[in-house]
Amino acid sequence: NAGVTQTPKFQVLKTGQSMTLQCAQDMNHNSMYWYRQDPGMGLRLIYYSASEGTTDKGEVPNGYNVSRLNKREFSLRLESAAPSQTSVYFCASARRNEKLFFGSGTQLSVL
Amino acid sequence: TQLLEQSPQFLSIQEGENLTVYCNSSSVFSSLQWYRQEPGEGPVLLVTVVTGGEVKKLKRLTFQFGDARKDSSLHITAAQPGDTGLYLCADRRYNNNDMRFGAGTRLTVKP
Repeated sequence: NAGVTQTPKFQVLKTGQSMTLQCAQDMNHNSMYWYRQDPGMGLRLIYYSASEGTTDKGEVPNGYNVSRLNKREFSLRLESAAPSQTSVYFCASARRNEKLFFGSGTQLSVL
Repeated sequence: TQLLEQSPQFLSIQEGENLTVYCNSSSVFSSLQWYRQEPGEGPVLLVTVVTGGEVKKLKRLTFQFGDARKDSSLHITAAQPGDTGLYLCADRRYNNNDMRFGAGTRLTVKP
């Protein structure tokens, strides 16, 4: 039972490079989320998707784009990475209003 | 801007001691979830509280939801090193699909 799977686990980028973080869940959940976690800041919501075909901005969407490819997959794209985007990124999923299930995170460094 | 305020930010205690951590807001919580996060992992749900005045117990952990639903506390009795982690509160503030987190309390329990 995989739950929420994120790839890659680690990534180092140079300023200006682009990349996509992948997330997939096998629990048939409707809602999916992307968070970033910085020291002392807790988890901050970047984007979420309440259902397949819909996406909405969270607290800190600038510099990111998302795609809800199907019910299972929700990707996060950095078009032009900046050092301020160095963080740990977490994907999560949930059935409607219930608890979130998190992946194990992607540690991203932008040099 | 963090809408959920957690205190203290850091807490270091000896095994066997009791402790309480807090989650507060100037606005009414729709419902409140408490998560624990261990290093290198995503957060895991501990409990959800919904009703004002509600008290829930999970072994040595006691969760209280304020009567006015603007505050919540987590009390741990006889803390153990295995309780070490980051404790986060979360709220579906704006709508049922937008889940926001506090900055967390980082607890260290020394043997």
